[in-house]
Amino acid sequence: DTGVSQDPRHKITKRGQNVTFRCDPISEHNRLYWYRQTLGQGPEFLTYFQNEAQLEKSRLLSDRFSAERPKGSFSTLEIQRTEQGDSAMYLCASSYDSGGGNIQYFGAGTRLSVL
Amino acid sequence: GDSVTQMEGPVTLSEEAFLTINCTYTATGYPSLFWYVQYPGEGLQLLLKATKADDKGSNKGFEATYRKETTSFHLEKGSVQVSDSAVYFCALSRYSSASKIIFGSGTRLSIRP
Repeated sequence: DTGVSQDPRHKITKRGQNVTFRCDPISEHNRLYWYRQTLGQGPEFLTYFQNEAQLEKSRLLSDRFSAERPKGSFSTLEIQRTEQGDSAMYLCASSYDSGGGNIQYFGAGTRLSVL
Repeated sequence: GDSVTQMEGPVTLSEEAFLTINCTYTATGYPSLFWYVQYPGEGLQLLLKATKADDKGSNKGFEATYRKETTSFHLEKGSVQVSDSAVYFCALSRYSSASKIIFGSGTRLSIRP
């Protein structure tokens, strides 16, 4: 078990460019979550997958954001036409429903800087 | 809507001091409550949890008790160490499983040797 892995760790881009982040969850976990964390704040929920189905999306997830989990394993988060306000840490988490509660395991995150 | 309010930081203490970080929540029903910790350069780690009223979560010398009557989940440790320096997040999840986690804004803790 290598934990939740995110790639890249850092991304610097110019305003208007598209970026894509990848998340590899813990292998037996069927649930995958994306959060966004800005400086000095707690993480905010963006979206959630159970297997390959995207079951919930936050109002924070504008039309420029899209997430996929095509085979129920890894997930990608794409931001189109990036804006400076998109600069944040993007966190991925995964969990497995064993009846013991919603314990989510987090990756180290991808830090996005939009210039 | 559901929310979590926690003590603002930064909090600076000397080694072996007693720690309390206050956390209160607003939610309908009976959410699960968590404390997560974020060490420098690392991802969020679950520190402890409690899933029903009067439950006490504990780990690494830290404790927190789910108080339904005061809607609180304060984090305590009797004797802090330099290695406890980190950012601590109080959080809730409204259902027993599958739901998003709602986090507080975090409290930065620094421990002086």
